[in-house]
Amino acid sequence: GQNIDQPTEMTATEGAIVQINCTYQTSGFNGLFWYQQHAGEAPTFLSYNVLDGLEEKGRFSSFLSRSKGYSYLLLKELQMKDSASYLCAVDNAGKSTFGDGTTLTVKP
Amino acid sequence: DAGVIQSPRHEVTEMGQEVTLRCKPISGHDYLFWYRQTMMRGLELLIYFNNNVPIDDSGMPEDRFSAKMPNASFSTLKIQPSEPRDSAVYFCASSLIRTGRSDTQYFGPGTRLTVL
Repeated sequence: GQNIDQPTEMTATEGAIVQINCTYQTSGFNGLFWYQQHAGEAPTFLSYNVLDGLEEKGRFSSFLSRSKGYSYLLLKELQMKDSASYLCAVDNAGKSTFGDGTTLTVKP
Repeated sequence: DAGVIQSPRHEVTEMGQEVTLRCKPISGHDYLFWYRQTMMRGLELLIYFNNNVPIDDSGMPEDRFSAKMPNASFSTLKIQPSEPRDSAVYFCASSLIRTGRSDTQYFGPGTRLTVL
């Protein structure tokens, strides 16, 4: 079976740093995706981690520890437009299972 | 590329009616996915195809739901008969699976279905 856990909601201040955690217990694992979804829109790709460690892409970074079943998405220099839902998804041979998402609210 | 195209964008129908949702994946992508998203259940995978062949339909809720992919550029998701609990946003996504790793899934804009 697949079990993916994320916090439901988080709030942070514009310009700050926020870390969104994701833990998973799955029967198969090829990699882990992070998606961003603004209200009323489709999810859009942020990152994909296959190996352990941190991958940085501009203001966004994603970390993976396969032995711990743990990942996080790090958002730096938060902007108001970063207010959205962030979904982690475990990939197993092309089939993705999504967490329920973390709704991030960025306040001025 | 126009991205994944879905139609209609919005559908309002009455209970018992047949609903057909359509999807055109990104050209050249080998995989096509149908998802349903609701506040209560989040994003759920319903079914996915590889090279037009259904691979896993374990997420299809019941026999009222069916999906087809007659060719590489077109797929349909049909609900017959529809029920109010089917109200949700239905996303289609496609991806190109490279050897040894997966590629990102590109989502269409979704179809917002309301069954009265």
